[in-house]
Amino acid sequence: ETGVTQTPRHLVMGMTNKKSLKCEQHLGHNAMYWYKQSAKKPLELMFVYNFKEQTENNSVPSRFSPECPNSSHLFLHLHTLQPEDSALYLCASSQELAGGSDTQYFGPGTRLTVL
Amino acid sequence: GQNIDQPTEMTATEGAIVQINCTYQTSGFNGLFWYQQHAGEAPTFLSYNVLDGLEEKGRFSSFLSRSKGYSYLLLKELQMKDSASYLCAVRGGGNKLVFGAGTILRVKS
Repeated sequence: ETGVTQTPRHLVMGMTNKKSLKCEQHLGHNAMYWYKQSAKKPLELMFVYNFKEQTENNSVPSRFSPECPNSSHLFLHLHTLQPEDSALYLCASSQELAGGSDTQYFGPGTRLTVL
Repeated sequence: GQNIDQPTEMTATEGAIVQINCTYQTSGFNGLFWYQQHAGEAPTFLSYNVLDGLEEKGRFSSFLSRSKGYSYLLLKELQMKDSASYLCAVRGGGNKLVFGAGTILRVKS
């Protein structure tokens, strides 16, 4: 149990659908992250939020739209996705956006398949 | 540029010792992390190194050489449950974590 939960765990959607991924952390952290993990590729950082403010958008297409209503919750809204967007989407949190040993803790991910 | 290299796959025998290497080239360096990820599960934190040398934590140890841009994760007394992907990640300048593609370790009996 890492203290970071994600729902749904699996999602299949068509290219015209709109869906949302949810992440919740129970660790009292202030920074939250979305990553994309494709087979045999490194984790790709998508978005970073610190104290509810977005601090990083790593050139992510606008069909992915993040939302962070408070420090414990993070959403990723999806619309008009492409088949190449199929991947494991991981949420992570850390105490704060800082250097040093600030460790990120990950949720189990949402396995997304776009048909 | 940012580049993290680690072997794609390794196989080792139960009870043995295995060393997973990681080399990196990053803009700035603020520490190196190792994570373990079982199939279908969350990556879990294993270790953090920021100074040169060996950090030991039970059966797992992690080594860092900043001058060589090199780290390794050493797993002793391998168990079947150690079969997983091992991710090397470097915190570079700007404090972002840059991940390698991971090393899939298969432990056989």
